[in-house]
Amino acid sequence: DAGVIQSPRHEVTEMGQEVTLRCKPISGHNSLFWYRQTMMRGLELLIYFNNNVPIDDSGMPEDRFSAKMPNASFSTLKIQPSEPRDSAVYFCASSPEAAGAVNQPQHFGDGTRLSIL
Amino acid sequence: EDKVVQSPLSLVVHEGDTVTLNCSYEVTNFRSLLWYKQEKKAPTFLFMLTSSGIEKKSGRLSSILDKKELFSILNITATQTGDSAVYLCAVDVRVGGSRLTFGEGTQLTVNP
Repeated sequence: DAGVIQSPRHEVTEMGQEVTLRCKPISGHNSLFWYRQTMMRGLELLIYFNNNVPIDDSGMPEDRFSAKMPNASFSTLKIQPSEPRDSAVYFCASSPEAAGAVNQPQHFGDGTRLSIL
Repeated sequence: EDKVVQSPLSLVVHEGDTVTLNCSYEVTNFRSLLWYKQEKKAPTFLFMLTSSGIEKKSGRLSSILDKKELFSILNITATQTGDSAVYLCAVDVRVGGSRLTFGEGTQLTVNP
């Protein structure tokens, strides 16, 4: 089975540029999560979608960050304009979660290592 | 504010040793506690615990949850160099949706 697929694996860009990270969840999983991992703050949830609808975006740091899920098999996380402090590893995760059902573990992609110069 | 605290933050052992990693939490609306192993890339799922006192086992790894004292332990017996990784504890807090709050992780190094 294909796992969660993220692209690109690495991104190096200059501050001020727009950055778009992509994620394909595991087929059949209806919940998708974006996380950011840094040495200082560890793994933090940015936003969570269920059935393509954003449920909780309280972790999105500021208006420069936006996320979309146009269909069940694709999501993007965009940073515009990017800043050096956005440098981190960004993970996407998915789970086959359904309201009221027994919860299932989240499965993570390999992440995008983002460096903003 | 939800909080997950892991200890120790790092641990160096020799192959064959047994290790115990700790995770304590203070959260509202607890749903489950999860353990992940992170090597160079993605955190990989190890265990999900929802009930107190029921041990989950997978090979040399085992874990148990105490919902009264609000902690969990992850045991690894007969450690191998391949066990070297960061072990992450996370608590699923269901408030409207699912939200994993992670601890800082325990960096385990197993030397030959």
